[in-house]
Amino acid sequence: AQTVTQSQPEMSVQEAETVTLSCTYDTSENNYYLFWYKQPPSRQMILVIRQEAYKQQNATENRFSVNFQKAAKSFSLKISDSQLGDTAMYFCAFRVEYGNKLVFGAGTILRVKS
Amino acid sequence: KAGVTQTPRYLIKTRGQQVTLSCSPISGHRSVSWYQQTPGQGLQFLFEYFSETQRNKGNFPGRFSGRQFSNSRSEMNVSTLELGDSALYLCASSLALADTLDTQYFGPGTRLTVL
Repeated sequence: AQTVTQSQPEMSVQEAETVTLSCTYDTSENNYYLFWYKQPPSRQMILVIRQEAYKQQNATENRFSVNFQKAAKSFSLKISDSQLGDTAMYFCAFRVEYGNKLVFGAGTILRVKS
Repeated sequence: KAGVTQTPRYLIKTRGQQVTLSCSPISGHRSVSWYQQTPGQGLQFLFEYFSETQRNKGNFPGRFSGRQFSNSRSEMNVSTLELGDSALYLCASSLALADTLDTQYFGPGTRLTVL
């Protein structure tokens, strides 16, 4: 069974600074997909970024980038130039190659302070 | 393009009752998945429907069931409600095309409270 671990329950960052959220996972699969979702106070889950395991190049989406270390089974999220609107719960999620079952971590609450 | 919609947004039921939640996927999306979110257990996968067939199932009791219609809309039913079923129920849809990075897009959720 796959598991996803987010070891930081809460984090804070000053506006305009950079923050990194950690995620590790456990799987015996070779091909899989990884995602970061954010859930603001509205509770709407929003896709932040996604990564295919067979791609060595780290995914980037504007201010968001990942550091994907397949051998270490690590998938951290870096948020640059943090904005107040980035305040949310961030979930790391794993999916095997086929099917649509997402396995989520426990989440990290990120607070961006002005 | 309209996003995933879920109805109702809020529900209050009493123990022993049953409830039906509805999810309309993004137009063109063929897969619908359901998740339960609670403070204690976090986000847990319930089941996935694709082409009106259950394709994946999580580890939930048989009181939780679902179905998908020919237009890809999905319903989830919980019978004999228990206090522990109080949760935010999230629906997600995806294109479900083969050999692609299939991404799930979530609806706003249905908040179920069981008294």
